[in-house]
Amino acid sequence: GQQLNQSPQSMFIQEGEDVSMNCTSSSIFNTWLWYKQDPGEGPVLLIALYKAGELTSNGRLTAQFGITRKDSFLNISASIPSDVGIYFCAGVYSGGGADGLTFGKGTHLIIQP
Amino acid sequence: EPEVTQTPSHQVTQMGQEVILRCVPISNHLYFYWYRQILGQKVEFLVSFYNNEISEKSEIFDDQFSVERPDGSNFTLKIRSTKLEDSAMYFCASSGTDSGPQHFGDGTRLSIL
Repeated sequence: GQQLNQSPQSMFIQEGEDVSMNCTSSSIFNTWLWYKQDPGEGPVLLIALYKAGELTSNGRLTAQFGITRKDSFLNISASIPSDVGIYFCAGVYSGGGADGLTFGKGTHLIIQP
Repeated sequence: EPEVTQTPSHQVTQMGQEVILRCVPISNHLYFYWYRQILGQKVEFLVSFYNNEISEKSEIFDDQFSVERPDGSNFTLKIRSTKLEDSAMYFCASSGTDSGPQHFGDGTRLSIL
């Protein structure tokens, strides 16, 4: 099946720093999604991207859909303690039905005081 | 804000028993999904459902699994004759369109003894 390579696996940063993570795939997607998961909870949608080259912001978060349709990145500016969690990229090539998402393995963000 | 709700939050079952996990998707959504997340691993797609039938399923979704939409609001996942390796978090998700963003519930933690 499709595989998403997400990096880095974990990040240890200071509060106030900017964060960048990315996902790459060997196959193309027509939708990229970024989710955040806190312990004991389900993934919460952060940003959805639908067009190659699209750059979308949600507050301090910015994500881009790569022009090759095989990659995406997520940036978080001026990190704060509540940004701690696991961030997952997910992609889908929707063929007109209810298509399942392929998830990356996640980036664990840890903010040091 | 509308949300996906799942019950129970935690289910403990003896190996070999049947379990039914329940989900109430967002009310105006038409596409429904089940995912699994083994502890410490990525989220994996199981099955999608649209128009009262399975739209797509993964290799994980074998004959042991079944899904049903018994009424206008519930969406269930049944696991027959559970195995130890079925222990995981099971997430339900829904979307309003086939390519729309999928919104997740907080999951059911299934523990097989």
